[in-house]
Amino acid sequence: QVQLVESGGGVVQPGGSLRLSCAASGFTFRSFGVHWVRQAPGKGLEWVSFIRYDGSDKYYVDSVEGRFTISRDNSKNMVYLQMNSLRVEDTAVYYCAKQSGRYSDYWGQGTLVTVSS
Amino acid sequence: DIQMTQSPSALSASVGDRVTITCRASQSISSWLAWYQQKPGKAPKLLIYEASTLESGVPSRFSGSGSGTEFTLTISSLQSDDFATYYCQQYNSYWTFGQGTKVEIK
Repeated sequence: QVQLVESGGGVVQPGGSLRLSCAASGFTFRSFGVHWVRQAPGKGLEWVSFIRYDGSDKYYVDSVEGRFTISRDNSKNMVYLQMNSLRVEDTAVYYCAKQSGRYSDYWGQGTLVTVSS
Repeated sequence: DIQMTQSPSALSASVGDRVTITCRASQSISSWLAWYQQKPGKAPKLLIYEASTLESGVPSRFSGSGSGTEFTLTISSLQSDDFATYYCQQYNSYWTFGQGTKVEIK
């Protein structure tokens, strides 16, 4: 069955960095794009970034452009989100989500990132 | 950027009630709209895509309608398992989510 498992979250000080990982299984990973979506505590969902199936195109929400970098390794069925210059407002649960068509049919369970001094 | 506005932000209902949630897009998104259900501490679950297509395995009491800028999610007879937060999502241009509608027990 399709599985997406995020890891790499934790507590970091403002200005710090973290790299999130998303391990995929149960489907032909190299054929599908992957999104990152975040949810601040008690708030709604916010799309963060997307990478095409072959890594040829990458997109970001304006608030993370220039600070976050999405990448993938199709040989390892992995997607990464490198987060630099972290801000308090980046505190959230980060989900990776498999693209189906242009929406998502499967999400991981999320990893919590806390930016605090 | 396309903005999505859901209403209401919360509602109270009883088991067996018919529930309708509305989502409005700031510009036309054709039928590129999905609905998700989220329970506390869990990932969102896809219910409907392309505005009205039921995802496999989702109960038929859920239905979606609309196109352009106005969309609705209807639960025909609310069940205890349906108490959750519901989000609309446009995927016409990147992704944008509505702010969510929390369905609570009356």
